[in-house]
Amino acid sequence: GAGVSQSPSNKVTEKGKDVELRCDPISGHTALYWYRQSLGQGLEFLIYFQGNSAPDKSGLPSDRFSAERTGGSVSTLTIQRTQQEDSAVYLCASSPGKGRRGIYGYTFGSGTRLTVV
Amino acid sequence: AQRVTQPEKLLSVFKGAPVELKCNYSYSGSPELFWYVQYSRQRLQLLLRHISRESIKGFTADLNKGETSFHLKKPFAQEEDSAMYYCAHGSSNTGKLIFGQGTTLQVKP
Repeated sequence: GAGVSQSPSNKVTEKGKDVELRCDPISGHTALYWYRQSLGQGLEFLIYFQGNSAPDKSGLPSDRFSAERTGGSVSTLTIQRTQQEDSAVYLCASSPGKGRRGIYGYTFGSGTRLTVV
Repeated sequence: AQRVTQPEKLLSVFKGAPVELKCNYSYSGSPELFWYVQYSRQRLQLLLRHISRESIKGFTADLNKGETSFHLKKPFAQEEDSAMYYCAHGSSNTGKLIFGQGTTLQVKP
Protein backbone atom coordinates (compact mmCIF):
# COMPACT_ATOMS: atom_id res chain seq x y z
CA GLY A 1 0.00 0.00 0.00
CA ALA A 2 0.89 3.65 -0.05
CA GLY A 3 1.61 3.87 3.66
CA VAL A 4 1.81 1.96 6.92
CA SER A 5 -1.60 0.66 7.89
CA GLN A 6 -2.61 -0.22 11.44
CA SER A 7 -5.77 -1.84 12.72
CA PRO A 8 -7.89 -1.38 14.65
CA SER A 9 -7.62 2.37 15.03
CA ASN A 10 -9.29 2.19 18.42
CA LYS A 11 -9.65 -0.70 20.85
CA VAL A 12 -11.40 -0.72 24.19
CA THR A 13 -10.91 -3.88 26.18
CA GLU A 14 -11.58 -5.14 29.66
CA LYS A 15 -8.74 -5.64 32.08
CA GLY A 16 -7.43 -9.18 31.86
CA LYS A 17 -8.39 -9.75 28.23
CA ASP A 18 -5.89 -10.37 25.42
CA VAL A 19 -5.61 -7.99 22.46
CA GLU A 20 -3.96 -8.19 19.05
CA LEU A 21 -2.82 -5.14 17.15
CA ARG A 22 -1.97 -5.39 13.48
CA CYS A 23 0.54 -3.52 11.33
CA ASP A 24 0.82 -3.69 7.55
CA PRO A 25 4.10 -2.02 6.53
CA ILE A 26 5.09 -0.42 3.25
CA SER A 27 5.80 -3.08 0.67
CA GLY A 28 9.52 -3.74 0.38
CA HIS A 29 10.45 -2.20 3.71
CA THR A 30 12.66 -4.68 5.49
CA ALA A 31 12.55 -3.04 8.91
CA LEU A 32 9.45 -2.82 11.13
CA TYR A 33 9.20 -1.19 14.54
CA TRP A 34 6.64 -0.98 17.33
CA TYR A 35 6.53 1.96 19.72
CA ARG A 36 4.19 2.98 22.49
CA GLN A 37 3.14 6.61 22.90
CA SER A 38 1.69 7.77 26.16
CA LEU A 39 1.30 11.11 27.91
CA GLY A 40 4.43 12.07 29.74
CA GLN A 41 6.37 9.05 28.47
CA GLY A 42 7.09 10.11 24.94
CA LEU A 43 7.76 7.39 22.39
CA GLU A 44 8.82 4.14 24.01
CA PHE A 45 10.57 1.55 21.86
CA LEU A 46 9.03 -1.91 22.09
CA ILE A 47 10.36 -4.25 19.41
CA TYR A 48 12.19 -4.15 16.08
CA PHE A 49 12.25 -6.58 13.15
CA GLN A 50 14.95 -6.39 10.48
CA GLY A 51 14.74 -8.81 7.59
CA ASN A 52 15.36 -12.38 8.66
CA SER A 53 17.38 -11.44 11.74
CA ALA A 54 16.19 -12.26 15.23
CA PRO A 55 13.97 -9.42 16.48
CA ASP A 56 15.24 -6.93 19.03
CA LYS A 57 12.78 -7.39 21.88
CA SER A 58 14.70 -5.31 24.38
CA GLY A 59 11.91 -2.75 24.78
CA LEU A 60 9.04 -5.08 25.63
CA PRO A 61 7.90 -4.07 29.13
CA SER A 62 6.87 -7.53 30.33
CA ASP A 63 6.36 -11.10 29.16
CA ARG A 64 2.71 -10.26 28.55
CA PHE A 65 3.86 -8.50 25.40
CA SER A 66 4.91 -10.37 22.28
CA ALA A 67 5.10 -9.68 18.57
CA GLU A 68 5.63 -11.59 15.40
CA ARG A 69 6.18 -10.73 11.79
CA THR A 70 5.00 -13.25 9.26
CA GLY A 71 6.62 -13.60 5.85
CA GLY A 72 8.65 -10.46 6.39
CA SER A 73 5.53 -8.34 6.04
CA VAL A 74 2.55 -8.02 8.37
CA SER A 75 3.24 -7.83 12.08
CA THR A 76 1.01 -8.53 15.07
CA LEU A 77 1.61 -7.16 18.55
CA THR A 78 -0.14 -9.22 21.23
CA ILE A 79 -0.78 -8.09 24.78
CA GLN A 80 -1.99 -10.80 27.12
CA ARG A 81 -3.97 -10.19 30.31
CA THR A 82 -4.16 -6.47 29.67
CA GLN A 83 -3.71 -4.04 32.52
CA GLN A 84 -4.85 -0.43 32.82
CA GLU A 85 -1.25 0.78 32.51
CA ASP A 86 -1.17 -0.75 29.02
CA SER A 87 -3.52 2.01 27.83
CA ALA A 88 -1.64 4.04 25.22
CA VAL A 89 -1.32 4.62 21.49
CA TYR A 90 0.66 1.81 19.86
CA LEU A 91 2.56 2.99 16.80
CA CYS A 92 4.05 0.90 14.05
CA ALA A 93 6.68 2.18 11.63
CA SER A 94 8.58 0.70 8.74
CA SER A 95 11.69 1.69 6.84
CA PRO A 96 14.09 0.38 4.22
CA GLY A 97 16.49 -0.09 7.13
CA LYS A 98 20.02 1.10 6.86
CA GLY A 99 21.77 2.18 3.69
CA ARG A 100 25.18 3.43 2.68
CA ARG A 101 24.27 6.94 3.76
CA GLY A 102 22.97 5.95 7.15
CA ILE A 103 19.60 5.14 8.63
CA TYR A 104 16.54 5.78 6.51
CA GLY A 105 13.72 7.72 8.08
CA TYR A 106 10.74 5.82 9.38
CA THR A 107 7.20 5.96 7.99
CA PHE A 108 4.69 5.73 10.80
CA GLY A 109 1.17 4.38 10.84
CA SER A 110 -1.68 6.28 12.43
CA GLY A 111 -1.58 4.07 15.49
CA THR A 112 -3.97 2.00 17.57
CA ARG A 113 -5.40 3.73 20.62
CA LEU A 114 -5.80 1.05 23.28
CA THR A 115 -7.95 1.71 26.32
CA VAL A 116 -8.09 -0.87 29.08
CA VAL A 117 -11.10 -0.45 31.37
CA ALA B 1 23.42 3.09 26.13
CA GLN B 2 21.55 5.37 23.77
CA ARG B 3 19.62 8.14 25.41
CA VAL B 4 17.84 11.24 24.07
CA THR B 5 16.87 14.12 26.31
CA GLN B 6 14.43 16.87 25.44
CA PRO B 7 14.38 19.04 28.56
CA GLU B 8 11.27 21.06 27.73
CA LYS B 9 7.84 19.45 27.72
CA LEU B 10 6.22 22.65 26.50
CA LEU B 11 7.60 25.64 24.64
CA SER B 12 5.29 28.56 24.07
CA VAL B 13 6.26 31.47 21.82
CA PHE B 14 4.53 34.25 19.91
CA LYS B 15 4.24 34.23 16.14
CA GLY B 16 7.34 35.68 14.54
CA ALA B 17 9.60 34.90 17.50
CA PRO B 18 12.63 32.63 17.15
CA VAL B 19 12.29 29.05 18.26
CA GLU B 20 14.85 26.60 19.61
CA LEU B 21 13.83 23.11 20.66
CA LYS B 22 16.59 21.47 22.64
CA CYS B 23 17.84 17.94 22.20
CA ASN B 24 20.81 16.22 23.78
CA TYR B 25 21.95 12.68 23.18
CA SER B 26 24.34 10.20 24.69
CA TYR B 27 26.04 7.60 22.56
CA SER B 28 29.60 6.52 22.09
CA GLY B 29 29.42 5.67 18.41
CA SER B 30 28.73 7.70 15.29
CA PRO B 31 25.46 9.52 15.91
CA GLU B 32 22.59 9.68 13.49
CA LEU B 33 20.07 12.27 14.56
CA PHE B 34 16.54 13.02 13.43
CA TRP B 35 13.66 15.33 14.20
CA TYR B 36 10.09 14.08 13.84
CA VAL B 37 6.92 16.15 14.07
CA GLN B 38 3.34 15.28 14.87
CA TYR B 39 0.68 17.84 14.00
CA SER B 40 -2.72 17.63 15.62
CA ARG B 41 -4.63 14.53 14.46
CA GLN B 42 -1.88 13.58 12.02
CA ARG B 43 0.73 10.87 11.88
CA LEU B 44 4.22 11.25 13.18
CA GLN B 45 6.41 12.27 10.25
CA LEU B 46 10.05 12.89 9.55
CA LEU B 47 11.00 16.57 9.63
CA LEU B 48 14.72 16.39 9.01
CA ARG B 49 17.83 14.28 9.52
CA HIS B 50 21.26 15.62 10.30
CA ILE B 51 22.96 13.76 7.47
CA SER B 52 20.89 15.63 4.88
CA ARG B 53 21.84 19.10 6.15
CA GLU B 54 18.61 20.44 4.73
CA SER B 55 16.09 23.02 5.84
CA ILE B 56 12.48 21.89 6.00
CA LYS B 57 9.65 24.40 6.60
CA GLY B 58 12.29 26.87 7.71
CA PHE B 59 13.65 24.57 10.41
CA THR B 60 17.32 23.67 10.69
CA ALA B 61 19.28 21.56 13.15
CA ASP B 62 23.02 21.41 13.59
CA LEU B 63 24.78 18.46 15.10
CA ASN B 64 27.24 19.58 17.78
CA LYS B 65 29.32 16.57 18.73
CA GLY B 66 31.22 18.47 21.41
CA GLU B 67 28.02 19.32 23.26
CA THR B 68 26.23 16.15 22.07
CA SER B 69 23.32 18.31 20.98
CA PHE B 70 21.02 18.53 17.97
CA HIS B 71 18.82 21.53 18.68
CA LEU B 72 16.03 22.42 16.26
CA LYS B 73 15.79 26.07 15.28
CA LYS B 74 13.58 28.38 13.30
CA PRO B 75 14.13 32.14 13.11
CA PHE B 76 10.46 33.14 12.86
CA ALA B 77 7.79 30.83 14.23
CA GLN B 78 4.44 30.45 12.47
CA GLU B 79 1.14 29.35 14.01
CA GLU B 80 1.13 26.27 11.80
CA ASP B 81 4.35 25.14 13.48
CA SER B 82 2.36 24.28 16.60
CA ALA B 83 2.88 20.55 17.08
CA MET B 84 4.70 17.90 19.09
CA TYR B 85 8.35 17.54 18.16
CA TYR B 86 10.44 14.48 18.86
CA CYS B 87 14.20 14.22 18.63
CA ALA B 88 15.52 10.76 17.79
CA HIS B 89 18.91 9.13 17.85
CA GLY B 90 19.78 6.15 15.69
CA SER B 91 22.20 3.34 16.18
CA SER B 92 24.47 3.10 13.17
CA ASN B 93 24.75 -0.63 13.86
CA THR B 94 21.08 -1.56 13.95
CA GLY B 95 19.05 1.22 12.38
CA LYS B 96 16.93 1.43 15.53
CA LEU B 97 15.79 4.89 16.68
CA ILE B 98 15.47 5.94 20.29
CA PHE B 99 13.17 8.91 20.78
CA GLY B 100 13.11 11.66 23.34
CA GLN B 101 10.03 12.46 25.38
CA GLY B 102 8.93 15.15 22.98
CA THR B 103 8.37 18.89 23.21
CA THR B 104 5.04 20.52 22.50
CA LEU B 105 5.53 23.76 20.60
CA GLN B 106 2.72 26.25 20.94
CA VAL B 107 2.87 29.31 18.69
CA LYS B 108 0.49 32.01 19.83
CA PRO B 109 -0.94 34.63 17.45
